[in-house]
Amino acid sequence: AQSVTQPDIHITVSEGASLELRCNYSYGATPYLFWYVQSPGQGLQLLLKYFSGDTLVQGIKGFEAEFKRSQSSFNLRKPSVHWSDAAEYFCAVGARTGNQFYFGTGTSLTVIP
Amino acid sequence: ETGVTQSPTHLIKTRGQQVTLRCSSQSGHNTVSWYQQALGQGPQFIFQYYREEENGRGNFPPRFSGLQFPNYSSELNVNALELDDSALYLCASSRGDPMNTEAFFGQGTRLTVV
Repeated sequence: AQSVTQPDIHITVSEGASLELRCNYSYGATPYLFWYVQSPGQGLQLLLKYFSGDTLVQGIKGFEAEFKRSQSSFNLRKPSVHWSDAAEYFCAVGARTGNQFYFGTGTSLTVIP
Repeated sequence: ETGVTQSPTHLIKTRGQQVTLRCSSQSGHNTVSWYQQALGQGPQFIFQYYREEENGRGNFPPRFSGLQFPNYSSELNVNALELDDSALYLCASSRGDPMNTEAFFGQGTRLTVV
């Protein structure tokens, strides 16, 4: 069965500090992998996605994620966090021929000055 | 701004009632998916419509139903509301397969069942 685990419910970082959000997945084959961000009152916005090829994926807003097949992980990173990055972050997987995303439970990010 | 609009933004219903939630997609987006996001949880797939036909369904009972219209709008209908139906409902539209294109999410409708 497909599942996504985001072990950190809530993370607090200082503005300017680096960030890593963890994501582990369980899937029968190599899935498509996604990171979405959700700000209060907003829908989900796609940050980046991995389909194949280079395991380091660059996204919008300075985010990147690395796919590690051996660890079934797809961690999201940002070298320097801005106050506007405070939001809820969701990791998701999907089948290459499927039609639905399987989301993790999310990580809430707080940025302190 | 994703170009996907949901209405209403908030809604309060009584247990046992019926509700219709609406989603207006971008022009040309022939695929719409609906998700339920309970408090503190990630979104869960309800179903998907492609060219006005249901194209996959998650683990939700038949009292959850949908419609997709030729004008790129869609509806989610829930009958016999239960307290556990209280959640944020999200629609996501895409030009074809959301895995291989990009799905654009609306801001959601917050449904409260009392």
